[in-house]
Amino acid sequence: QSALTQPASVSGSPGQSITISCTGTSSDVGGYNYVSWYQQHPGKAPKLMIYEVSNRPSGVSNRFSGSKSGNTASLTISGLQAEDEADYYCSSYTSSSTNVVFGGGTKLTVL
Amino acid sequence: EVQLVESGGGLVKPGGSLRLSCAASGFTFSSYSMNWVRQAPGKGLEWVSSISSSSSYIYYADSVKGRFTISRDNAKNSLYLQMNSLRAEDTAVYYCARLIAAPGAFDIWGQGTMVTVSS
Repeated sequence: QSALTQPASVSGSPGQSITISCTGTSSDVGGYNYVSWYQQHPGKAPKLMIYEVSNRPSGVSNRFSGSKSGNTASLTISGLQAEDEADYYCSSYTSSSTNVVFGGGTKLTVL
Repeated sequence: EVQLVESGGGLVKPGGSLRLSCAASGFTFSSYSMNWVRQAPGKGLEWVSSISSSSSYIYYADSVKGRFTISRDNAKNSLYLQMNSLRAEDTAVYYCARLIAAPGAFDIWGQGTMVTVSS
């Protein structure tokens, strides 16, 4: 069981927007602005899409945005494109001995 | 080009040992904290261990504490993971990853090396 809870799957049509949630506790997501999001295509290494809740690394499309409310962080992808189909993982710093925790991952299907 | 390349994976029997290496290039390795993250077949990501730039701070996941040891050699631009007392549940692709300023924000990843623990 993962420390952070994500929906197993989400789907959307090209051009639409989708949101993936990531729920933790006050010891991780809710307590720190250190939530990151990763995109992973099959057989590939993860790619950082968002860090510190809402910051985009250089080169990441502005169609990707992040936010947080209480113990739940969210990743929104607008203007869905076929290449966005992938697995998405959230992570957070945690005050527990684990230091960093990941969500279980969400499979995004572009219909 | 900024790059991380892992090596050292393979098949090992339960209770055995393996040492993973990660060679860094294209950036000032000694300035960054480095991490190991693993992914069991068909499963999600699991953070394993981290080491600060000067090796002053080291952290482990509870699942590997006491069995795995992370280390680095800044002169050789290399990161290591010594894995002892391996278990079947350690079977995974192991990635090394560079940490940018924020905890849990890994901006550069290697291609991964597969570790299989089986008799």
